[in-house]
Amino acid sequence: DGGITQSPKYLFRKEGQNVTLSCEQNLNHDAMYWYRQDPGQGLRLIYYSQIVNDFQKGDIAEGYSVSREKKESFPLTVTSAQKNPTAFYLCASRSGGSYGYTFGSGTRLTVV
Amino acid sequence: GESVGLHLPTLSVQEGDNSIINCAYSNSASDYFIWYKQESGKGPQFIIDIRSNMDKRQGQRVTVLLNKTVKHLSLQIAATQPGDSAVYFCAETPSYFGNEKLTFGTGTRLTIIP
Repeated sequence: DGGITQSPKYLFRKEGQNVTLSCEQNLNHDAMYWYRQDPGQGLRLIYYSQIVNDFQKGDIAEGYSVSREKKESFPLTVTSAQKNPTAFYLCASRSGGSYGYTFGSGTRLTVV
Repeated sequence: GESVGLHLPTLSVQEGDNSIINCAYSNSASDYFIWYKQESGKGPQFIIDIRSNMDKRQGQRVTVLLNKTVKHLSLQIAATQPGDSAVYFCAETPSYFGNEKLTFGTGTRLTIIP
């Protein structure tokens, strides 16, 4: 079945560590997105990529980095510069020419 | 910047009753609207969408109404079931076919009372 897979489901990070969240899709979608969701809040856009080897900052990009070396993959690195990284992270993809966003099941990141 | 907001953060409805979730948007150029359902610990799932050239669209047990005059969007769920308990988000974009990003609202938590 086609879909978008995020891993791991739960991730714990120590202070000062970088961690990378995986997002893989086999939908042949061009665009991919990373959102952050805090309790009781909506989705805030971190980074997005419309095409391979290209990506743009979203509304809250500080302390995060991404790469888009393959169409299927859009990993997100939460760096030590992100002072409040505990949140639920959602990856999404979209086929060019329509707005059918497909979301992954999310990664819950906790700083310990 | 533009924002999408919801009138009520929580809503409790008796099982079997109809529910209405509201959403206000401020971007008069918004062309496409989507409702998503998010169950606890999961990613949002598409429910129903509507283009700005329509004022009503129906799906299975769900209806979306769009009032462009007052920039208001609503999601009606008929004959609610326990499985309808979730957070519901509206989202909007100025362009259905373009590369504009979706802007999401804060969400409304719907609780179905058995």
